Amino acid sequence: AQSVTQPDIHITVSEGASLELRCNYSYGATPYLFWYVQSPGQGLQLLLKYFSGDTLVQGIKGFEAEFKRSQSSFNLRKPSVHWSDAAEYFCAVGNSGYSTLTFGKGTMLLVSP
Amino acid sequence: NAGVMQNPRHLVRRRGQEARLRCSPMKGHSHVYWYRQLPEEGLKFMVYLQKENIIDESGMPKERFSAEFPKEGPSILRIQQVVRGDSAAYFCASSPPGGDQPQHFGDGTRLSIL
Repeated sequence: AQSVTQPDIHITVSEGASLELRCNYSYGATPYLFWYVQSPGQGLQLLLKYFSGDTLVQGIKGFEAEFKRSQSSFNLRKPSVHWSDAAEYFCAVGNSGYSTLTFGKGTMLLVSP
Repeated sequence: NAGVMQNPRHLVRRRGQEARLRCSPMKGHSHVYWYRQLPEEGLKFMVYLQKENIIDESGMPKERFSAEFPKEGPSILRIQQVVRGDSAAYFCASSPPGGDQPQHFGDGTRLSIL
């Protein structure tokens, strides 16, 4: 069965500093990987996705993620965090064809002044 | 182009009542997914539907829960005889036909059971 681990429940980053959120997955084949962001009381917004090809994926809002098969990881990065990035971030894995997604438990990002 | 629309945004029910949650997918999307989010948890898959068909309901509780996506109208998630443990946020997502399409989420329905 597929699974996703986000080892950090909370992360605090100073505004302007760089960010890396960790995600490890377990899946038997080549996974489809996603990062979503959720603001309080809102739904999930897709930041970026990896299906195949280049292992460095660019997303919206200046985010990127790198797929590392050898480490079963898909970490999310941003070079300079803005206060508006404070939210909860979810990593998810799906399979090919239709994708019922398996989510991690999320990482809450706090941005300090 | 409107996104995935869910209503109501908030729903309060007493134990034993029925809850109906509605989801209208994005225009052109024929695949609908329902997920449940408990406090401090990620989203858990419940059911995947296409028009008039349940494709995968492996995440649905065996009793009291049902889902449909009729030919006309929104998808409905129905919970009969609600209990306190049903309190959660329920999210609907949709995707277009064809493989390898990301899911787009609605803002969810927050269900509270008194």
